Amino acid sequence: AQKITQTQPGMFVQEKEAVTLDCTYDTSDPSYGLFWYKQPSSGEMIFLIYQGSYDQQNATEGRYSLNFQKARKSANLVISASQLGDSAMYFCAMREGFNKFYFGSGTKLNVKP
Amino acid sequence: SQTIHQWPATLVQPVGSPLSLECTVEGTSNPNLYWYRQAAGRGLQLLFYSVGIGQISSEVPQNLSASRPQDRQFILSSKKLLLSDSGFYLCAWSGGQRAEAFFGQGTRLTVV
Repeated sequence: AQKITQTQPGMFVQEKEAVTLDCTYDTSDPSYGLFWYKQPSSGEMIFLIYQGSYDQQNATEGRYSLNFQKARKSANLVISASQLGDSAMYFCAMREGFNKFYFGSGTKLNVKP
Repeated sequence: SQTIHQWPATLVQPVGSPLSLECTVEGTSNPNLYWYRQAAGRGLQLLFYSVGIGQISSEVPQNLSASRPQDRQFILSSKKLLLSDSGFYLCAWSGGQRAEAFFGQGTRLTVV
């Protein structure tokens, strides 16, 4: 079974609007971490935000917030006030225990001016 | 501060030739180390991870192998490359006080 599922291969959003990128995960480990990374066309992987499985509050980092719904096993990324520079691939990832990081297939976000 | 170096940035190799990609981490000790492969327009596939010197776990059976001869050095190898080995290879590390993984700049491998 897929550890991380991202069902949106591509998304469009108007500049200055908010956008939600979906992510669901599958694990039986009670301790895990959820991450979002941004990959511009250069290929580098840029860490955006982290949510621990025991964290009670949703994580926020500037314009990024993670909508963590534990019972539904979802960890959606919300980007507020989209900018042209947000156009990139976005990957959801999960760390099981302390070692393995698994990544989803990614969502390509295009921000329109 | 911690940094991760990965080289070369691009590589074109003929089918059947050997491969050696190297990754080193600075500024931390006993990191967890990872090799990922990314096919064009696709997600990251975990190939190998290591929690210590000489300790390698393989996630998928394949034509590749990994070694960790030193604490902060991780090497991806192949004795004979296949066309299907083409892709973008990323090395990463995790550990210390941070939860996330940090990535190198990647190696774009084309097998011809």
